[in-house]
Amino acid sequence: GQNIDQPTEMTATEGAIVQINCTYQTSGFNGLFWYQQHAGEAPTFLSYNVLDGLEEKGRFSSFLSRSKGYSYLLLKELQMKDSASYLCAVMDSNYQLIWGAGTKLIIKP
Amino acid sequence: IAGITQAPTSQILAAGRRMTLRCTQDMRHNAMYWYRQDLGLGLRLIHYSNTAGTTGKGEVPDGYSVSRANTDDFPLTLASAVPSQTSVYFCASSEAESSTDTQYFGPGTRLTVL
Repeated sequence: GQNIDQPTEMTATEGAIVQINCTYQTSGFNGLFWYQQHAGEAPTFLSYNVLDGLEEKGRFSSFLSRSKGYSYLLLKELQMKDSASYLCAVMDSNYQLIWGAGTKLIIKP
Repeated sequence: IAGITQAPTSQILAAGRRMTLRCTQDMRHNAMYWYRQDLGLGLRLIHYSNTAGTTGKGEVPDGYSVSRANTDDFPLTLASAVPSQTSVYFCASSEAESSTDTQYFGPGTRLTVL
């Protein structure tokens, strides 16, 4: 079966760095997406990785290792507004997104 | 502002009633999707449409139907609602079918079936 695993909840301090991990097992691979979802709102796109390595976009970076079925999202200089759920999703061989349950990130002052 | 709209924002429905959730996008995207989001689970695909006039079944299609008469609209119908269909429903769209294009989400409909 297809499976996406990520931690349920993480806590970090304002100004610090946090890494949210995602491991996956899917039928085929056409890329991995990270989305941010604030409570009561829609998911919004953060990043897309299809090749191994690190993609940096401002305070957010995303890493992919296809051989290990592993990705992480790195958030630097955390701000209170970063408190949200972070969703990992893999696009399978049918171009359908398989979603993890999300990681709720709590930022403390 | 271009985007996706959904209606209603929330709804409480008696079991056995019929309900249509509306979704409209103005980005001229070819592909559209319906997901449900339940606590502790990832988003699950209900139905999708790669282009106007075509639809397909996702992971959890039972009890739901869709139509795609034109590019902009993609309504989701619950023919006879059951309590297990209590969920938050998100409509999404992407530019091209069967591609790695980013999916953009509407604000969601919170549905409670009693």
